[in-house]
Amino acid sequence: GNSVTQMEGPVTLSEEAFLTINCTYTATGYPSLFWYVQYPGEGLQLLLKATKADDKGSNKGFEATYRKETTSFHLEKGSVQVSDSAVYFCALSDQKSGGSYIPTFGRGTSLIVHP
Amino acid sequence: DSGVTQTPKHLITATGQRVTLRCSPRSGDLSVYWYQQSLDQGLQFLIHYYNGEERAKGNILERFSAQQFPDLHSELNLSSLELGDSALYFCASSAGLAGAGNTQYFGPGTRLTVL
Repeated sequence: GNSVTQMEGPVTLSEEAFLTINCTYTATGYPSLFWYVQYPGEGLQLLLKATKADDKGSNKGFEATYRKETTSFHLEKGSVQVSDSAVYFCALSDQKSGGSYIPTFGRGTSLIVHP
Repeated sequence: DSGVTQTPKHLITATGQRVTLRCSPRSGDLSVYWYQQSLDQGLQFLIHYYNGEERAKGNILERFSAQQFPDLHSELNLSSLELGDSALYFCASSAGLAGAGNTQYFGPGTRLTVL
């Protein structure tokens, strides 16, 4: 079946540091890939997405590139802020027979940014 | 605010009991997804409804059931509750089938505690 593997956290950084959170996936088809962010006490919200190989998703300074050859979708940000402290989830959406898409999420990576 | 509402916010009950969690999707969204988030299992997809019909099932126990009503709100019923059912339950909605690029919008979740 499908799976998503993320680096374990927490990732602890100082403000303005460079961020990378690794994500690799296994899928039988050609999935779409997503990064969601969950702030304390809230639900998940979409951060960025990519629907085909070599697409780059970007939002709020975060970027991730869909790499089919390495089955990866690593999240990066050049300069993190304290307000970026949250849990980040990598996810994929792959089509099952019958036209419905099954979402698969990684375990989440906690990011803590210190001033 | 994602536009997805969930009630109740918190629920405390005893083993063996039955509870109902409610979700109202964003206005116009036809798809509702249910997820369970726990510390040991991460975020697990449970079930997907589209315009009143069940479209996909994930790791949903037989003790759990769901439905989507004509007004598109959805309910998740959990019965014969066990301690291990304690978790955060999220619903998410999307405009159509969560296809290649469709974004899911998550509600704030219901925290279920089984004592």
